[in-house]
Amino acid sequence: DTAVSQTPKYLVTQMGNDKSIKCEQNLGHDTMYWYKQDSKKFLKIMFSYNNKELIINETVPNRFSPKSPDKAHLNLHINSLELGDSAVYFCASSRNGPYGYTFGSGTRLTVV
Amino acid sequence: AQKITQTQPGMFVQEKEAVTLDCTYDTSDPSYGLFWYKQPSSGEMIFLIYQGSYDQQNATEGRYSLNFQKARKSANLVISASQLGDSAMYFCAMREGAAGGSYIPTFGRGTSLIVHP
Repeated sequence: DTAVSQTPKYLVTQMGNDKSIKCEQNLGHDTMYWYKQDSKKFLKIMFSYNNKELIINETVPNRFSPKSPDKAHLNLHINSLELGDSAVYFCASSRNGPYGYTFGSGTRLTVV
Repeated sequence: AQKITQTQPGMFVQEKEAVTLDCTYDTSDPSYGLFWYKQPSSGEMIFLIYQGSYDQQNATEGRYSLNFQKARKSANLVISASQLGDSAMYFCAMREGAAGGSYIPTFGRGTSLIVHP
């Protein structure tokens, strides 16, 4: 059973399109995250939800909108895609407290 | 200021030798957790080891150990008996407490390890 699954694994799309990435975890964790990994491998937190409530919202263009229908799901919707949005997006989850995260396999987004 | 500093962008080690990957951190919170992750060329993020700020002993997981020096704020990863499959990017990370109790995650910029046969 996959602990944190995100789909799709690869996404190639044209500039200006709107796309969504889905994430689901079956670990019973309370907190879910979206990270962006750029071409230099730097991992930057974008959003964090705890029990469906937004708790971290870093400086991210408002074209990016997370949605958490329940604590097991955290989706990322991106409007009006730009070339600079090309990156690997990771979903992750964790339990409350200073504990580690379980990552999904990543979604490689390429905007052409 | 960076919360997590990994000063070695790249490291090389001979197969079967031990290697230490450096990590220093910065926090004023007494409760925090330190982690190491491995990212092979396939791209997935693999959890390796965890050290809590109140843990008295250094964490170990198989060939991985975390050399936790609290006063120096360092959390170096030691890989013993390196294998070719250890070639990957390694990230040090920290979660610290904040007002309201939300633990904010931070990652270092990573160290690329190459194991030579």
